[in-house]
Amino acid sequence: NFILTQPHSVSESPGKTVTISCTRSSGSIANQYVQWYQQRPGTSPTIVIYEDNQGPSGVPDRFSGSIDISSNSAFLTISGLKTEDEADYYCQSSDSSNQVFGGGTKLTVL
Amino acid sequence: EVQLVESGGGLVKPGGSLRLSCAASGFFFSSHTMNWVRQAPGKGLEWVSSISAAGNYMFYAGSVKGRITISRDNAGNSLYLQMNSLRAEDTAVYYCARDANRGHAYNDHWGQGTLVTVSS
Repeated sequence: NFILTQPHSVSESPGKTVTISCTRSSGSIANQYVQWYQQRPGTSPTIVIYEDNQGPSGVPDRFSGSIDISSNSAFLTISGLKTEDEADYYCQSSDSSNQVFGGGTKLTVL
Repeated sequence: EVQLVESGGGLVKPGGSLRLSCAASGFFFSSHTMNWVRQAPGKGLEWVSSISAAGNYMFYAGSVKGRITISRDNAGNSLYLQMNSLRAEDTAVYYCARDANRGHAYNDHWGQGTLVTVSS
């Protein structure tokens, strides 16, 4: 079993770039794919990155994902920030047939 | 268009039971593993349970094992979650989510959620 640790919150200005980290506690981050979900206030989560770095159709290419084995972390990068990007972001991976979610990061665009 | 519509939430006393339903449409329901994910008020997402496409394999989070049963009706395109011996800490919005069927577990579509409140 492992846990995924995210920063509680990040903030950045419109037009800038922000990166959110997701660090795996044990086992390699490369062992299982990482997904990222966006959850705007009062709505259901939607997927913005799957399989570490793949963008679903309909998601702007301002959203990108990566992993870094040396830090055992996954990263979600959002460039050209817009106020509509303000939301909670969750990373997720799998442990056998179980899903593991990070604690979530609140992104404030101010 | 994929649609997942949950129902069955409500207020229940500690120790009580509740059955959640999820009506699926817009895709071949019987081809997908299905999942329940919950979110306590003001908290993060927590995976609860998964059921294989044929309904013959079920998986549960440790926090609910023995108290919750996932099931499905492929003929009726429906997913269920039977919750027994409910506790205050089970209070949450429960989301039905479709597994992407990519060979590793993740959710590509989510319902709007149904709120379960466990309180005396």
